Amino acid sequence: QVQLQQWGAGLLKPSETLSLTCAVYGGSFSDYYWSWIRQPPGKGLEWIGEINHSGSTIYNPSLKSRVAMSVDTSRNQFSLRLSSVAAADTAVYFCARGSGYNWHDWGQGTLVTVSS
Amino acid sequence: QSALTQPPSASGSPGQSVTISCTGTSSDVGGYNYVSWYQHHPGKAPKLMIYDVSKRPSGVPDRFSASKSGNTASLTVSGLQAEDEADYYCSSYADNKIYVFGTGTKVTVL
Repeated sequence: QVQLQQWGAGLLKPSETLSLTCAVYGGSFSDYYWSWIRQPPGKGLEWIGEINHSGSTIYNPSLKSRVAMSVDTSRNQFSLRLSSVAAADTAVYFCARGSGYNWHDWGQGTLVTVSS
Repeated sequence: QSALTQPPSASGSPGQSVTISCTGTSSDVGGYNYVSWYQHHPGKAPKLMIYDVSKRPSGVPDRFSASKSGNTASLTVSGLQAEDEADYYCSSYADNKIYVFGTGTKVTVL
């Protein structure tokens, strides 16, 4: 049974860089794509992007200029960096395991608030 | 890529059925058989209920069913139970290898 555990700073100032990491426990790390998905307060889910074990990435075009994902296969971890954050980036951020074209396993979510 | 369109709300009494639509375009829902549905209780992680348009993961009750016609996918919850009250989101694989979510539907069990 795979478990995803995520962490990162929960309070940022405008223009700072958001940084989150997700650790994968159990299951194969190399057989899947690993995604980040967020939900602003009172709004719907938004796919941020995904990365595989070799570091190949695909990003949401709306965030592509500010997003960077990385992977550490030695620790079975993957990370998200979102630069130049603004209030609109306030959201609960989830990491998730991509299996096929869906996400069966999710992290617990991290609330990131951007406020001056 | 715009969000897929879902009705903001749907409701039904216990035992009844509710159907949620998810409308996209030929670049997402209509172009691929990779629509999935998620149940989301506030404060928890979303739960995969349906994948590849109509397949149920192990452990999901068969009260949940789904289909697709053209650019619109649909999720039906039959025999509504109190625990089905949640937000439901569709998602679709789309052109350029990206994913798009629906706007979300709040299901209320009356």
